[in-house]
Amino acid sequence: DTGVSQDPRHKITKRGQNVTFRCDPISEHNRLYWYRQTLGQGPEFLTYFQNEAQLEKSRLLSDRFSAERPKGSFSTLEIQRTEQGDSAMYLCASSLGLDTIAKNIQYFGAGTRLSVL
Amino acid sequence: AQSVTQLGSHVSVSEGALVLLRCNYSSSVPPYLFWYVQYPNQGLQLLLKYTTGATLVKGINGFEAEFKKSETSFHLTKPSAHMSDAAEYFCAVSERYSSASKIIFGSGTRLSIRP
Repeated sequence: DTGVSQDPRHKITKRGQNVTFRCDPISEHNRLYWYRQTLGQGPEFLTYFQNEAQLEKSRLLSDRFSAERPKGSFSTLEIQRTEQGDSAMYLCASSLGLDTIAKNIQYFGAGTRLSVL
Repeated sequence: AQSVTQLGSHVSVSEGALVLLRCNYSSSVPPYLFWYVQYPNQGLQLLLKYTTGATLVKGINGFEAEFKKSETSFHLTKPSAHMSDAAEYFCAVSERYSSASKIIFGSGTRLSIRP
C-alpha cells in the first residue's frame, strides 16, 4: 500500500485547453474526495464519491469541471476550457467510508499543481 | 454553516520553545475537529482529531490540542519545537452528523523554527 497517488504532479497548460488529472486511492477505500487549494489558503471541498457514485458536488465545481470514478477505484478530474483562475493545487483524498466519521479518516495525496498561462 | 479561523498566518518560534497555533471554529453543534500538517510538495497528514470524550487530544510528533467548547477553540501546542516541525498547519472541522464527512479547512498557519 503506497497511499493515495496523483498524476501528474505538475501540469502547465495554456488558457482554453482541457486538462485531466488522475487519482488512485488506497486500495480498500471506497470513498474518494477532491479538494482545491489556492495559494495561501486551505483546501476547499469540490466533490466526493462513494464507490462509483458521485454523491455531493460543491458550488465551486462549475460546469467546466467533471469528475468520474467509473469502476469505483481510480478517479479523474477534468477541467475544460481552463482559465487562469483555475490555477491551484488539486488534492485527492480517500477513506474507508465507515459510518462513523470518527473512524472515517481521510488520507491525502501529494496533489497536482496546475498552472494556467 | 461551519467555519474555521486560524489566528496568525505565520508563526515563528525558536528551537526548543513552546509552539502554540490558534484555531477557533463556528458551528451550530459541536463538530469534529482536526489538525493537519503539510510539508512542502507533500499532501496533508493528520496530526490529531477530536471526536468525543477527553477534550485533550494527543497526536503524532508530540503535538496535542485541547477542545474548549465555551471558547469554541481547538488550539494546537507542542512543548518544545524541533526544526523538523517547520511546515504549514491546518485546523479543520467536519459536521458531526453528515454522511459526507467533507472537511472544511482554515487558511493555514506557516510555522517557522529559528535555530
